[in-house]
Amino acid sequence: RKEVEQDPGPFNVPEGATVAFNCTYSNSASQSFFWYRQDCRKEPKLLMSVYSSGNEDGRFTAQLNRASQYISLLIRDSKLSDSATYLCVGSNNNDMRFGAGTRLTVKP
Amino acid sequence: TAGITQAPTSQILAAGRSMTLRCTQDMRHNAMYWYRQDLGLGLRLIHYSNTAGTTGKGEVPDGYSVSRANTDDFPLTLASAVPSQTSVYFCASRSSGTDTQYFGPGTRLTVL
Repeated sequence: RKEVEQDPGPFNVPEGATVAFNCTYSNSASQSFFWYRQDCRKEPKLLMSVYSSGNEDGRFTAQLNRASQYISLLIRDSKLSDSATYLCVGSNNNDMRFGAGTRLTVKP
Repeated sequence: TAGITQAPTSQILAAGRSMTLRCTQDMRHNAMYWYRQDLGLGLRLIHYSNTAGTTGKGEVPDGYSVSRANTDDFPLTLASAVPSQTSVYFCASRSSGTDTQYFGPGTRLTVL
């Protein structure tokens, strides 16, 4: 069982839709959490860090629930350019554990 | 700004041969990492280095070795490649005091 689990999808949504991704982690020692975005055949790029208080960056909102060891990403008003794979990450110092990713396709 | 570069972009390698994947960063980041990415498994850490002169093992280190002679370079060596090492390899770096890792463009390796 992977340390970070995500629903692989795919999620197929129309433009303008709101979509939510969930992620669970098993290592309670994980200290930092992130969402990365990865386009097909490209390198992962940081989308946003995730804090216990929750954080928002434009159309993107991330939440962390340490008690349930659960992380979420909400994308509002989806754009075609949001189509990508979203990677959930838990980190304990140098040990970053990635989920296998959730594939999102936004359609016109 | 170059950021992180990796070479080669792709490679087909015969089983049993050795190969070194190169990674260079120009951001003066102290920490560097090597990951492999496989379908359905996501990215898995192979080796890391917190600073020049030190290295550590990640989640899947067997069959790989690294060195960190200076801040900028972090080569990954496969001494005797096997087909299960067919994967996409990403190098990453991180500045001290932050958690954000920056990734190189990747090397696609096929071992036949």
